Amino acid sequence: IQLTQSPSSLSASVGDRVTITCRASQGISSSLAWYQQKPGKAPKLLIYAASTLQSGVPSRFSGSGSGTDFTLTISSLQPEDFATYYCQQLKSYPLTFGGGTKVEIK
Amino acid sequence: EVQLVESGGGLVQPGGSLRLSCEASGFTFSSYWMTWVRQAPGKGLEWVGNIKQYGSEIYYVDSVRGRFTISRDNAKNSLFLQMNSLRAEDTAVYYCATYYVSGDYSDAFDMWGQGTMVTVSS
Repeated sequence: IQLTQSPSSLSASVGDRVTITCRASQGISSSLAWYQQKPGKAPKLLIYAASTLQSGVPSRFSGSGSGTDFTLTISSLQPEDFATYYCQQLKSYPLTFGGGTKVEIK
Repeated sequence: EVQLVESGGGLVQPGGSLRLSCEASGFTFSSYWMTWVRQAPGKGLEWVGNIKQYGSEIYYVDSVRGRFTISRDNAKNSLFLQMNSLRAEDTAVYYCATYYVSGDYSDAFDMWGQGTMVTVSS
């Protein structure tokens, strides 16, 4: 199953609302997770089951979608949110990641 | 505190072998599936393989099947990745992570190590 993230990068300002999309090449129900990765660091789980916030993750992060189309939204971008975001499908093997979306400071 | 600490990375020649280790602490290691994920320099994340709690099921991405072997020692809270016939394209940071398998849609890689760098070059 291929995952296509868009955009591959974006520039935004603190306080902006940011939306990242992830499209699966076939239906995956809600078996989708989102991760945040900062330079030189390991990925961090943000959302699983497409829309469930991982414990400790700020509520400005939200996820939605099912089937083939998914979104990650940051309601009000904070300085610590500048990072690369990846979606991942866990519906079937091989488990796959999207290509990533780099969120940069405008 | 949950910790996953990878070790064993380094420089190896093409065709060579390397064994990575991942030592776990702060949680019940034997209760979790475990996974390896890699990231080539400047590239995205690539799943390498998974192993079930007691090793009865193991899965690999096609590009490493037959060359890499995942194993675990629950008595030592350790996960391993034996890498043989290494190629330049295996150069990456290798992360171990816990794989939460829920039985519904809630699966995810929820705890990650800091990674260990593997460089395949002559």
